[in-house]
Amino acid sequence: DQQVKQNSPSLSVQEGRISILNCDYTNSMFDYFLWYKKYPAEGPTFLISISSIKDKNEDGRFTVFLNKSAKHLSLHIVPSQPGDSAVYFCAAANSGGSNYKLTFGKGTLLTVNP
Amino acid sequence: DTGVSQNPRHKITKRGQNVTFRCDPISEHNRLYWYRQTLGQGPEFLTYFQNEAQLEKSRLLSDRFSAERPKGSFSTLEIQRTEQGDSAMYLCASSSIRGGYTFGSGTRLTVV
Repeated sequence: DQQVKQNSPSLSVQEGRISILNCDYTNSMFDYFLWYKKYPAEGPTFLISISSIKDKNEDGRFTVFLNKSAKHLSLHIVPSQPGDSAVYFCAAANSGGSNYKLTFGKGTLLTVNP
Repeated sequence: DTGVSQNPRHKITKRGQNVTFRCDPISEHNRLYWYRQTLGQGPEFLTYFQNEAQLEKSRLLSDRFSAERPKGSFSTLEIQRTEQGDSAMYLCASSSIRGGYTFGSGTRLTVV
């Protein structure tokens, strides 16, 4: 049972345009959400996170939106750059849990075309 | 501090052999995690240490797998009698109690 779902395996956008990556979750205990970027043969690199007490968090070109009622979050990248091309993983955690383990989606491959 | 370090980066082994991976976390982090990532999947949680205590193990961690974290510093993950299904990227991460997960670059295991 996939508790974190990224339904788009891939996304292609033009340089300078907006990239929107989506993520859905099913576990109501999740209250902390993270986005990671991963290049081949490297570990995931943290991008941005959001707590369930917020509905938006912004960091430079990256903004994460959280819709708790829909159990949906999205990552917006504006403007997209060719260096943003990578696999993006959505992850969720129960911050009140004792171990803070992350549950990941399957990832979305973003390709930004020059 | 150079972040989370994992060795080796790549390991090719024959089916049935034992392999051991090492993870050196960020020094001030007391939490250490192992994840496994297979092709087309996101990382999946395997096990978690707080200091030297192993506090949780996933059902993915069969009895052929064992992890240790002696003295609460580096950690090792051993796979005995490897199978082709064990081929994956093994990721280590560390965090402080307040969060701040940092992943290593992973060990790519290929079982032939």
